[in-house]
Amino acid sequence: ETGVTQSPTHLIKTRGQQVTLRCSSQSGHNTVSWYQQALGQGPQFIFQYYREEENGRGNFPPRFSGLQFPNYSSELNVNALELDDSALYLCASSWESGDTQYFGPGTRLTVL
Amino acid sequence: GESVGLHLPTLSVQEGDNSIINCAYSNSASDYFIWYKQESGKGPQFIIDIRSNMDKRQGQRVTVLLNKTVKHLSLQIAATQPGDSAVYFCAEILGSGSARQLTFGSGTQLTVLP
Repeated sequence: ETGVTQSPTHLIKTRGQQVTLRCSSQSGHNTVSWYQQALGQGPQFIFQYYREEENGRGNFPPRFSGLQFPNYSSELNVNALELDDSALYLCASSWESGDTQYFGPGTRLTVL
Repeated sequence: GESVGLHLPTLSVQEGDNSIINCAYSNSASDYFIWYKQESGKGPQFIIDIRSNMDKRQGQRVTVLLNKTVKHLSLQIAATQPGDSAVYFCAEILGSGSARQLTFGSGTQLTVLP
């Protein structure tokens, strides 16, 4: 176990809705990165939060947003859900931005 | 764009044999590489990492080799066990200043045969 937790485990939404996913980082880690993993694919980087600031972003539209709290936990928000947003959403925490990232178990999002 | 890729999508080995999973990367500026193991329904689990100033690193039953000349990375698992069955990803970290994000390949499915 990495000490990184995510909630909820599974989620079903309909197209157009909004969703919030949550991540608690490992104790002492100040950096949280979010990834989207489609079935049969490797994880794709969404964005990273370092000390409560967004610290880099992958090729995802603005309807993917997030924030990080003073305790370094983080949220991923997705607005106007599309069918293609169905995926496993992973968060990973690390000591600093460039250090080894340790992953949580993920949240499985299904958009109908 | 730059990406990490894997040579083989699937690999089957007999229990007790050694496994070798290969990975090619295309960005010569990448300076940190990590192997992750992902079991069905779980998040990726860190196995071993290597920095670009090294060419070999050993862990418990695992060895990672880095050949910067041909931009190739491999993961060797000794005495493969049924619990090693999973998808294995290599990932590279590139970048300085802003986010040093992980770029993953598509993965290799390792199946251990009894």
